[in-house]
Amino acid sequence: AQSVTQPDIHITVSEGASLELRCNYSYGATPYLFWYVQSPGQGLQLLLKYFSGDTLVQGIKGFEAEFKRSQSSFNLRKPSVHWSDAAEYFCAVGAPGGYQKVTFGTGTKLQVIP
Amino acid sequence: GAGVSQTPSNKVTEKGKYVELRCDPISGHTALYWYRQSLGQGPEFLIYFQGTGAADDSGLPNDRFFAVRPEGSVSTLKIQRTERGDSAVYLCASSLTPTGDTEAFFGQGTRLTVV
Repeated sequence: AQSVTQPDIHITVSEGASLELRCNYSYGATPYLFWYVQSPGQGLQLLLKYFSGDTLVQGIKGFEAEFKRSQSSFNLRKPSVHWSDAAEYFCAVGAPGGYQKVTFGTGTKLQVIP
Repeated sequence: GAGVSQTPSNKVTEKGKYVELRCDPISGHTALYWYRQSLGQGPEFLIYFQGTGAADDSGLPNDRFFAVRPEGSVSTLKIQRTERGDSAVYLCASSLTPTGDTEAFFGQGTRLTVV
């Protein structure tokens, strides 16, 4: 069965600092991987996704993620965090094919301090 | 509308009652998904529709939960004999197709509270 682990429940960074959110997955083959962001009162929004090809994926809002098969990881990064990035971030894994049955991690809540 | 619409946004019901949660997907989206998000957790898959048919309902927790999509657009999630453990935010998403080259868009959810 597929699963996702986000080891950090809560992270605090200073505005302008770099950010890395960790994600490890378990899946028997090459999975489809996603990062979503959820802001208070907002729905889940897709930041980026990886299906195949280049293992460094660029997303919206200046985010990127790198797929590392050897480490079963798909960490999310941003070089300079803005106060508006404060939100909860979810890593997710799906079977090849797309969105049919996606498994989400428990999320990492990001706090940004001035 | 432009996005996925879910109604009601909040629902409080008494234990043992029946509830229906509605999802209006983005027009033209053939795939529709229901998830449940409990407090402090990530969304948990419930069921996926392709057109009118439930392609995968393996996430429904028990036979008190049922979902329909009779005309391939609007979907209703039905919960019978609600229990306090059913309290959660129920999320709906839709995508043009179920394949990964499209994007799944989520609604803002229905917060269900069973008292």
